[in-house]
Amino acid sequence: QKEVEQNSGPLSVPEGAIASLNCTYSDRGSQSFFWYRQYSGKSPELIMSIYSNGDKEDGRFTAQLNKASQYVSLLIRDSQPSDSATYLCAVNSGGSNYKLTFGKGTLLTVNP
Amino acid sequence: DAGITQSPRHKVTETGTPVTLRCHQTENHRYMYWYRQDPGHGLRLIHYSYGVKDTDKGEVSDGYSVSRSKTEDFLLTLESATSSQTSVYFCAIRPGQGGNEQFFGPGTRLTVL
Repeated sequence: QKEVEQNSGPLSVPEGAIASLNCTYSDRGSQSFFWYRQYSGKSPELIMSIYSNGDKEDGRFTAQLNKASQYVSLLIRDSQPSDSATYLCAVNSGGSNYKLTFGKGTLLTVNP
Repeated sequence: DAGITQSPRHKVTETGTPVTLRCHQTENHRYMYWYRQDPGHGLRLIHYSYGVKDTDKGEVSDGYSVSRSKTEDFLLTLESATSSQTSVYFCAIRPGQGGNEQFFGPGTRLTVL
């Protein structure tokens, strides 16, 4: 059974701080990795994708991937109250139908 | 919502009744997915489709069936709804243009009494 694990939180950070969200996965053959943000009562929204080891930056967001450690993380710099949401990690383990396995999500609260 | 609509957005039904949820996309994407989201379980794949009349099961397919007779529509049917199927249902599409990203519709909240 392919598993994706996240700390459920809640993770609470002050406004302006760096929020660090972590995710581990069990399938060593996993090939692509995604972070989604989900506000309460809304659908998941893709914020980052990463395919290769290392860092990928997009604005205030940085995704980090370490395939050897089976670990992917999301850093949010200069956190804002509007970043308060649940963050979902998703992993694609290859195969021809591109199925994703999701973690249960980490609730982030950014305090003004 | 990446050109995806779901209907109905909310539904309350009784145990034992059939229910069909519709996912409609406007971009002719080949891959479509149905997920359910429950507290403590996260998003779980129910069924997916990789083309017209081409569908397969996900990890929680028991009690659900799907159909895709047109590229733009992917239907999820609960043949005889049970209270355990009370959930929020999301449809997703994979554009497939250089990556494996999936984009989600707005969701359907289903309550089975």
